[in-house]
Amino acid sequence: GAGVSQSPRYKVAKRGQDVALRCDPISGHVSLFWYQQALGQGPEFLTYFQNEAQLDKSGLPSDRFFAERPEGSVSTLKIQRTQQEDSAVYLCASSSGVAGATGELFFGEGSRLTVL
Amino acid sequence: AQSVTQLGSHVSVSEGALVLLRCNYSSSVPPYLFWYVQYPNQGLQLLLKYTTGATLVKGINGFEAEFKKSETSFHLTKPSAHMSDAAEYFCAVSGGTGANNLFFGTGTRLTVIP
Repeated sequence: GAGVSQSPRYKVAKRGQDVALRCDPISGHVSLFWYQQALGQGPEFLTYFQNEAQLDKSGLPSDRFFAERPEGSVSTLKIQRTQQEDSAVYLCASSSGVAGATGELFFGEGSRLTVL
Repeated sequence: AQSVTQLGSHVSVSEGALVLLRCNYSSSVPPYLFWYVQYPNQGLQLLLKYTTGATLVKGINGFEAEFKKSETSFHLTKPSAHMSDAAEYFCAVSGGTGANNLFFGTGTRLTVIP
């Protein structure tokens, strides 16, 4: 597609359930980022991939969060045993360059997760 | 470490009036600075960025921002607001070349009054 595509757009989960959020970046984009945006806050960095390599996962809040990009294109963010504090919009962004966040990032519309 | 402070979570201006959205940053290295805009039900998109060189940068839709190192500021301006400018605006900073992530402010919601 022409832009970054994320699915599902909305997800409601019961506390303790596992969820998986998908990101389809712009074709050919090397860099891929995941951000978490809580209500009323700016996006906060979770993790960064360069092709299939996860080069930075310093922003993942706990070991319940796991991200992968096995073939260097589509990425999945998995959250195990969801908690209410995980409720947020999860944003995916991609970039054509390898210079991390110094280039222009193209964002998807986000996946809104609500944990009951 | 890098951080951004956006003064004013909500700003209202009349159509045709000057738009000024404030951003101050903190960075331990020469910063790269960005403004992103988020229209309702859309993803964030880049308005403009400062990396090196000219401190006054021009972006899309008539917006511009000036990097002032002495004031650690990167305020966003537009001479004349348009109804279509109503959106949420985020200032962000990264740690320069090779930095892996952007640090975003909490955002400023701009309302344009007809």
